[in-house]
Amino acid sequence: KAGVTQTPRYLIKTRGQQVTLSCSPISGHRSVSWYQQTPGQGLQFLFEYFSETQRNKGNFPGRFSGRQFSNSRSEMNVSTLELGDSALYLCASSLGGRPSTDTQYFGPGTRLTVL
Amino acid sequence: AQSVTQLGSHVSVSEGALVLLRCNYSSSVPPYLFWYVQYPNQGLQLLLKYTTGATLVKGINGFEAEFKKSETSFHLTKPSAHMSDAAEYFCAVSQTAGGTSYGKLTFGQGTILTVHP
Repeated sequence: KAGVTQTPRYLIKTRGQQVTLSCSPISGHRSVSWYQQTPGQGLQFLFEYFSETQRNKGNFPGRFSGRQFSNSRSEMNVSTLELGDSALYLCASSLGGRPSTDTQYFGPGTRLTVL
Repeated sequence: AQSVTQLGSHVSVSEGALVLLRCNYSSSVPPYLFWYVQYPNQGLQLLLKYTTGATLVKGINGFEAEFKKSETSFHLTKPSAHMSDAAEYFCAVSQTAGGTSYGKLTFGQGTILTVHP
């Protein structure tokens, strides 16, 4: 099976712009979670989607949003970019039926740089 | 609220030596525990996880971890380090119940493992 894919792998944006990141889960996986990874804050949970519904959300401002499509692919959007949004954004997919114990399989991430 | 503490942001060992990476958790309910590894410019790969049952969990690449409830610990070990083990390791916890657990892993700050020849 193909793994989790994320596009693009690298992005450079300027402050105030918006950005959309894409994640394609492993075939058959219905849950997609997003994480932000920075040197200072480490890995932080953004949100989780299952069957096109957001089931959980982390402590991020409303500028961070996401959605999931009927084929389980997911996108996250960040509006009005700030310098502090520079990070590696990781997507993880899982079966979704047992959210606490399901193994999350991570993609390679999208490296976002905000100038 | 749950949290994870990894003792030691950097650990250095010689090739062939024992690897011990420490992880302590805080959780108001019985946790599910995970260890992930991240190589440079890559995503995270699951090494092993503890859900229920046997407290000694064996994972990939010769790693294992033991869940000790009394010590709230889940330390990762490998008897003999290999150069290819050099990477960053993350301990994570997931809650066992409640809507706030959906798809959320809470990670420690990570431990960078260096292996010297």
